[in-house]
Amino acid sequence: DVKVTQSSRYLVKRTGEKVFLECVQDMDHENMFWYRQDPGLGLRLIYFSYDVKMKEKGDIPEGYSVSREKKERFSLILESASTNQTSMYLCASSSSGNQETQYFGPGTRLLVL
Amino acid sequence: QKEVEQDPGPLSVPEGAIVSLNCTYSNSAFQYFMWYRQYSRKGPELLMYTYSSGNKEDGRFTAQVDKSSKYISLFIRDSQPSDSATYLCAMGPDNTDKLIFGTGTRLQVFP
Repeated sequence: DVKVTQSSRYLVKRTGEKVFLECVQDMDHENMFWYRQDPGLGLRLIYFSYDVKMKEKGDIPEGYSVSREKKERFSLILESASTNQTSMYLCASSSSGNQETQYFGPGTRLLVL
Repeated sequence: QKEVEQDPGPLSVPEGAIVSLNCTYSNSAFQYFMWYRQYSRKGPELLMYTYSSGNKEDGRFTAQVDKSSKYISLFIRDSQPSDSATYLCAMGPDNTDKLIFGTGTRLQVFP
């Protein structure tokens, strides 16, 4: 079974803090994704990586950066957390090729105070 | 206009009912169509996957794609309380691994 794990289920941070969210997958997938999920807005893609050290901006990259130093690990960084970044963050991975299934982690609920 | 439109619900039905969930889209390049199920406080999991037009059946679930109308549906027969979840449609074109998601429809099946 594919397993995607995220470092925290719940996080509470203060405005201005630097926040790291980590995601690890165990299926040797090339692609990894970070989404945020908000009521009424659905899943919105923040960043996407199709290979180690490669990244591509999604629909809402402002205020975020990512790091992919190893194939199995994809980190999302909030450089200076703001209250409007309070959200559910979901990581996913997939094999490369046309629209392979994306497998999701359990999500991290981030609250920025 | 959003690329993918999905009624957020909630949709509340009695156990045993047939449920119909739908999405419309605007991009005629979309070829891959998926339905994900998301239980409360969990990540989405793939339920059905269809390429191009047509129907696909898996147990109590049937996915339909009508590309001429840019309309996709998920039917759940003999719905169960365990089907209570949010259902997300997702779709994308041939030339990318990125998906566009609908906002999700919350389904409640009561005993």
